Amino acid sequence: DSGVTQTPKHLITATGQRVTLRCSPRSGDLSVYWYQQSLDQGLQFLIQYYNGEERAKGNILERFSAQQFPDLHSELNLSSLELGDSALYFCASSVGTGSSNSPLHFGNGTRLTVT
Amino acid sequence: AQKVTQAQTEISVVEKEDVTLDCVYETRDTTYYLFWYKQPPSGELVFLIRRNSFDEQNEISGRYSWNFQKSTSSFNFTITASQVVDSAVYFCALTQLLGNQFYFGTGTSLTVIP
Repeated sequence: DSGVTQTPKHLITATGQRVTLRCSPRSGDLSVYWYQQSLDQGLQFLIQYYNGEERAKGNILERFSAQQFPDLHSELNLSSLELGDSALYFCASSVGTGSSNSPLHFGNGTRLTVT
Repeated sequence: AQKVTQAQTEISVVEKEDVTLDCVYETRDTTYYLFWYKQPPSGELVFLIRRNSFDEQNEISGRYSWNFQKSTSSFNFTITASQVVDSAVYFCALTQLLGNQFYFGTGTSLTVIP
């Protein structure tokens, strides 16, 4: 058990809808990362927050947004969903801001299916 | 630019065989960190090892060993006497000293046949 909690585990929704994915980092970790894993794209970095502030942005679509709250949990909001958004969404946390000595610890992921 | 290449998409071995998963990376930084992660069929990503660019000593942990060679920009992972439980997708990743992003390879799917 990595200590990172993601909810829900599975999500099935229709095109055009909006969903929110939730992540609680490991105790003591200040950074939260979001990744998207689809069959043909591998692990794609979406966005990183550190102690409530956005620190790095990857290939995140404008339809997607995220935030990290004062209690350090994070939410990833996906709107105007398309079939191609179907994927496994991972949250990961680490102690520091950068990657240096801090490995990422991943949650179990949220499986999103858009129909 | 940072890049990680795992050229082996899928590997199948028979139980008890040794298997090496290749990882080649590209970076212009002199200080960087390399990682291996395991993703079993259940889906979670499990951290296996971290190595910094100044430490080229090979590391062994049980049946797992890692060979880091800066001269060839490679960080290969060997499983000795493979077991069915080793069946998973393995990812190699690279980060910079001051960067915030992990650069993942596309993964190698390992199947160990009983």
